[in-house]
Amino acid sequence: AQSVTQLDSHVSVSEGTPVLLRCNYSSSYSPSLFWYVQHPNKGLQLLLKYTSAATLVKGINGFEAEFKKSETSFHLTKPSAHMSDAAEYFCVVSEGTGGFKTIFGAGTRLFVKA
Amino acid sequence: DTGVSQDPRHKITKRGQNVTFRCDPISEHNRLYWYRQTLGQGPEFLTYFQNEAQLEKSRLLSDRFSAERPKGSFSTLEIQRTEQGDSAMYLCASSSGTGPYNEQFFGPGTRLTVL
Repeated sequence: AQSVTQLDSHVSVSEGTPVLLRCNYSSSYSPSLFWYVQHPNKGLQLLLKYTSAATLVKGINGFEAEFKKSETSFHLTKPSAHMSDAAEYFCVVSEGTGGFKTIFGAGTRLFVKA
Repeated sequence: DTGVSQDPRHKITKRGQNVTFRCDPISEHNRLYWYRQTLGQGPEFLTYFQNEAQLEKSRLLSDRFSAERPKGSFSTLEIQRTEQGDSAMYLCASSSGTGPYNEQFFGPGTRLTVL
């Protein structure tokens, strides 16, 4: 069965410092993994996705994530936080073998301090 | 391409009433999904359609919930005999293709409040 665990409910960083949002997953099959961002009063937007090609995935706005099968992790990073990065981030796993389900993590709220 | 739209954006209803939400996906997207999101949680998968066929339903989707996509375009989600526990944001998304790796494009959601 699929599951997604976002290890931190809140992360606070200072502007210009690195961002690390942690995600562990479990899946019975080879999953597709995504990170979505949700800004207040705005719809969910895809940051990046992993689909069994390169293990290091680059997304929009300078974000990237590394798929580590041995650790069942898909952590999201950014070298330098910007105030506009403050938002809720969701790690997502999707399986399409037989049936099809998409599972969202509980989310990590990112705060960026000036 | 105007994105995924949902109507209404907000709905306040009394317990026991029926409500219906509409989702218009991005044109040409063959897949359409419904999710429910409560405060402080990630979206929970409810159901999805490929064209007009409803292919998967979550156990969260009780008998009071029904979804349709009659012509493979827009979709409706109906909740009968609403309960206070149904209060949530209902999100619709659409995607193209048939695999699990396709990006889902989300609408702004319909916020339901059951009094």
